[in-house]
Amino acid sequence: AQSVTQLGSHVSVSEGALVLLRCNYSSSVPPYLFWYVQYPNQGLQLLLKYTSAATLVKGINGFEAEFKKSETSFHLTKPSAHMSDAAEYFCAVQMTSNTGKLIFGQGTTLQVKP
Amino acid sequence: KAGVTQTPRYLIKTRGQQVTLSCSPISGHRSVSWYQQTPGQGLQFLFEYFSETQRNKGNFPGRFSGRQFSNSRSEMNVSTLELGDSALYLCASSTTGINDEQFFGPGTRLTVL
Repeated sequence: AQSVTQLGSHVSVSEGALVLLRCNYSSSVPPYLFWYVQYPNQGLQLLLKYTSAATLVKGINGFEAEFKKSETSFHLTKPSAHMSDAAEYFCAVQMTSNTGKLIFGQGTTLQVKP
Repeated sequence: KAGVTQTPRYLIKTRGQQVTLSCSPISGHRSVSWYQQTPGQGLQFLFEYFSETQRNKGNFPGRFSGRQFSNSRSEMNVSTLELGDSALYLCASSTTGINDEQFFGPGTRLTVL
């Protein structure tokens, strides 16, 4: 069965520092990959998605992620953290055969210190 | 374009009762998926509907059911509520449900006492 692992349930960075949130998936066939962000008391908002067109994917709010098939990874980065980036981030995968079903990682809470 | 709406936003029920949650997808979206979010289990897929048919389902007991109407609006029902059903229930809609972006609603917070 497919699974998603996010390393680190909590990540703390200083404002202006690099943000790196890790995501690894288990699948013999590269799935479609997504990063979502959730602010308190809100639903999920898509940051970016990988659909095999390019390995480096740029998303909203300055985030980007790189798909590495050899490492089965899809880590999320942002060069300079902003206070407004504090939220919970979820990595998710979808297999073509599994309609409408996203498999989520456990989430990483990003804290940004002033 | 209006986003995904869910009603009610908050709900308090007691054990043994049943509950119905509603989701209105983005106009033109035919796929609606439901997820349960809890601190312990995270985000788990409940089921997906497309053109009024359940096309996919997760590993939840039969107490969890859903349906979709001709206008793509969807409802989910939980019967014989248990304390463990307390969660945030999220609805998401997409155009086809196949590798396209799912747009999430704000969720319904269900508390079972």
